[in-house]
Amino acid sequence: EADIYQTPRYLVIGTGKKITLECSQTMGHDKMYWYQQDPGMELHLIHYSYGVNSTEKGDLSSESTVSRIRTEHFPLTLESARPSHTSQYLCASSRGDGTDTQYFGPGTRLTVL
Amino acid sequence: GNSVTQMEGPVTLSEEAFLTINCTYTATGYPSLFWYVQYPGEGLQLLLKATKADDKGSNKGFEATYRKETTSFHLEKGSVQVSDSAVYFCALGGYNQGGKLIFGQGTELSVKP
Repeated sequence: EADIYQTPRYLVIGTGKKITLECSQTMGHDKMYWYQQDPGMELHLIHYSYGVNSTEKGDLSSESTVSRIRTEHFPLTLESARPSHTSQYLCASSRGDGTDTQYFGPGTRLTVL
Repeated sequence: GNSVTQMEGPVTLSEEAFLTINCTYTATGYPSLFWYVQYPGEGLQLLLKATKADDKGSNKGFEATYRKETTSFHLEKGSVQVSDSAVYFCALGGYNQGGKLIFGQGTELSVKP
């Protein structure tokens, strides 16, 4: 059983608000990832980190930002939410060995009105 | 570049029917291959994986064989249950992916009693 947590699970907010989606893992994994999932199910990598103080943008351009100050914590921030940010956000982590199994959190479903 | 193509859904089966979900890939080198499952309202869970050619991954009655000659990793189950209703993702990773996974577009499976 993977120990990776996301809060909140559901969030409904108004346009222009600043939000932070939390992601934490207790497995000591070096690598962490944020995905955005369409209603059509497809996953898009938006950010990843290979360790503390390391962050990279993913394959899909996103207006969100991330930070990695502690190994276990990888929060995602939207400075000014818009309706186009409405989506499911999934956090994942992995040990970083060659087999690259990723463990996923339960996701945050964000709705911006 | 590397890519994964999955059979399009949705797939609807009756309970106890045989399941096949096709997955083919394009990759350089020797990738690892994965099947993940996403139940409604949850994050993704690893279902099974294979890290080299001719390996068979298996879990919960599901199986997939890494076929390098046909660049395929098809998911099979002999007798599906209603509880198998979910979205299934094929993914590719490995040493040359830097920890990142490439996901297929997902296949939704619905099993009717």
